[in-house]
Amino acid sequence: AQSVTQLGSHVSVSEGALVLLRCNYSSSVPPYLFWYVQYPNQGLQLLLKYTSAATLVKGINGFEAEFKKSETSFHLTKPSAHMSDAAEYFCAVSQNTGNQFYFGTGTSLTVIP
Amino acid sequence: ETGVTQTPRHLVMGMTNKKSLKCEQHLGHNAMYWYKQSAKKPLELMFVYNFKEQTENNSVPSRFSPECPNSSHLFLHLHTLQPEDSALYLCASSQDGVQRGAPWDEQFFGPGTRLTVL
Repeated sequence: AQSVTQLGSHVSVSEGALVLLRCNYSSSVPPYLFWYVQYPNQGLQLLLKYTSAATLVKGINGFEAEFKKSETSFHLTKPSAHMSDAAEYFCAVSQNTGNQFYFGTGTSLTVIP
Repeated sequence: ETGVTQTPRHLVMGMTNKKSLKCEQHLGHNAMYWYKQSAKKPLELMFVYNFKEQTENNSVPSRFSPECPNSSHLFLHLHTLQPEDSALYLCASSQDGVQRGAPWDEQFFGPGTRLTVL
């Protein structure tokens, strides 16, 4: 069975500080992994995805994530937070049973001026 | 219009009303999806249409009825809803649809319809 765990439903960082949003997955086979962002009153937008190529994935808006198989993690980072990064972030996993996406419960990021 | 559009953006309805949500994708994709997003819960996949054929129905109550007349349009017909059905309903589309034995790839989401059932 697949599942996604996002540690911390709320994360606050100061503007200019490192952003670290955690995602751990469980999957019996190599997965595809995704990070989506949702701004207020909008749908989900893809930030980046891992599909079994390079383990360090760079996405939009300066975000990146590293696939660590040994830790079953896919944490999202950004070196310097901007006010515009305040949003809800979702981690998702799919695998080659082709069943569906499994989304985490989301992490709300607040950026403090 | 570009991407995935949804109308209406907000909907308030009584428990005895009948209404429909509309989704349109302008990306040339082959698969479309309905999700329900409730506070404090993971996104719930409701329905999947692959090349206009319904391939997934995740035990959704019959008061929700999907319709996919072509690969660009997806509807969700609502009738006799309950207050617990109040949520954000998101539509998404993807390029290759659901292929057996392959992981699902990137989905493109619309802005959602905020539904309130009184």
